[in-house]
This record gives sequence, C-alpha cells and structure tokens, in this order.
Amino acid sequence: DTGVSQDPRHKITKRGQNVTFRCDPISEHNRLYWYRQTLGQGPEFLTYFQNEAQLEKSRLLSDRFSAERPKGSFSTLEIQRTEQGDSAMYLCASSRLAGGSGELFFGEGSRLTVL
Amino acid sequence: GIQVEQSPPDLILQEGANSTLRCNFSDSVNNLQWFHQNPWGQLINLFYIPSGTKQNGRLSATTVATERYSLLYISSSQTTDSGVYFCAVERAGSARQLTFGSGTQLTVLP
Repeated sequence: DTGVSQDPRHKITKRGQNVTFRCDPISEHNRLYWYRQTLGQGPEFLTYFQNEAQLEKSRLLSDRFSAERPKGSFSTLEIQRTEQGDSAMYLCASSRLAGGSGELFFGEGSRLTVL
Repeated sequence: GIQVEQSPPDLILQEGANSTLRCNFSDSVNNLQWFHQNPWGQLINLFYIPSGTKQNGRLSATTVATERYSLLYISSSQTTDSGVYFCAVERAGSARQLTFGSGTQLTVLP
C-alpha cells in the first residue's frame, strides 16, 4: 500500500491525557497537511509542512497542539491536556509540490474520543 | 477566507437514478477537488478539476472557474455511492491548503 497511512486509527482517552498521532505520507510527496473533522462538518485545515518546515498554522491549532515533521518524512501531531472538545477525526494528507498537480491525497484518519 | 457552498445538503435517490451535486465558491481558485467520504471516514479522491470537464466511469465533473462553480454528476447510481461528497478548493495565491464545503449526504436506496 503506497497511500497515506495514519496510526492509530482510533484512540480513546480521558480528559487531561496527552495523545500523539502519526502520519506517513506518500513517499515522493514533500508537502504534508493535518486537518480536523468534527461530526457533520467538512475537514478544517490545521497546519502544513513543506519538507521539514512547518509553514502555516491555523488559529484552530491552540497551544496544546504541536506538530512535527523531523527529516521531512513522517509527521506527528500531539495534543496535550486533552479536552472533550478535541474529540474529532484527525486527517493527514500529502501532495507533491513540484512535478505534480498539487492534488492532495488523504489517509484514513485517526479518530479521537476524549471522555 | 474563501467560502465554499455545496448543494443540496441531503439527497435521497432510488438505485439507478441520476444526480447532480453543486459547489459554489467565492473567489478564484488554483485547485478544486471532489471527494467521497466512505463510512469509515476516509476521503476518496474523485476528481482534481480546477477547470474543464472530466469523466470517470459513471461519474463526471465540470468546473466553470470564471463563474465560480463546479458540478459533480452521478449516473445510474448504486447503493455503494452512498456517503458524503465534499468539494474542496484552494484559493488562488494561497498556500496549497484546501477549504472544504459542508458536503452533500447522498443516500441511494435499493
């Protein structure tokens, strides 16, 4: 499977705990995006990386959220001191900056439930 | 930011019927994609179509960028077509991030 992969697929945690999600993009893609989707809504942009540089962050990304992409390969999204409002599907996508159309491809998502 | 409106919000069809989903956007775009979100939450790419017309089997899409809308056509619908269809656009001059509409929930009855 050469698509975008995310882990874990499901995470249930108690309020106040920290959680981390991992995303492995398509291998030749140098842009990586994180989106969040709540029930009944379309996905909302959180942040994106070009190689290892985090180039833009949405105002939705509070101080409790941090994303990294060391060495420009996989990425992690960490949520500290989770709140019930953080319950959502966290989607990762990747695209190729040069030599491609810029089409985004999404992974299967990581569903977070905060109790 | 750019506004993306999809219509209708909900659509119920009998198997075999045809349908048209619409996406209006408020600004010039570099990129427009249609996705189908399956029951497990994954976004499946249907079309990358910033302009023009494309066809893939029973699905086709048309984007008229100058008039700021796109249409997704589904012919001879099947129960497996059920799910949420999203239109997403990348505003011209912005970084390559997509802004999504709120989706059309399609239910195809057997």
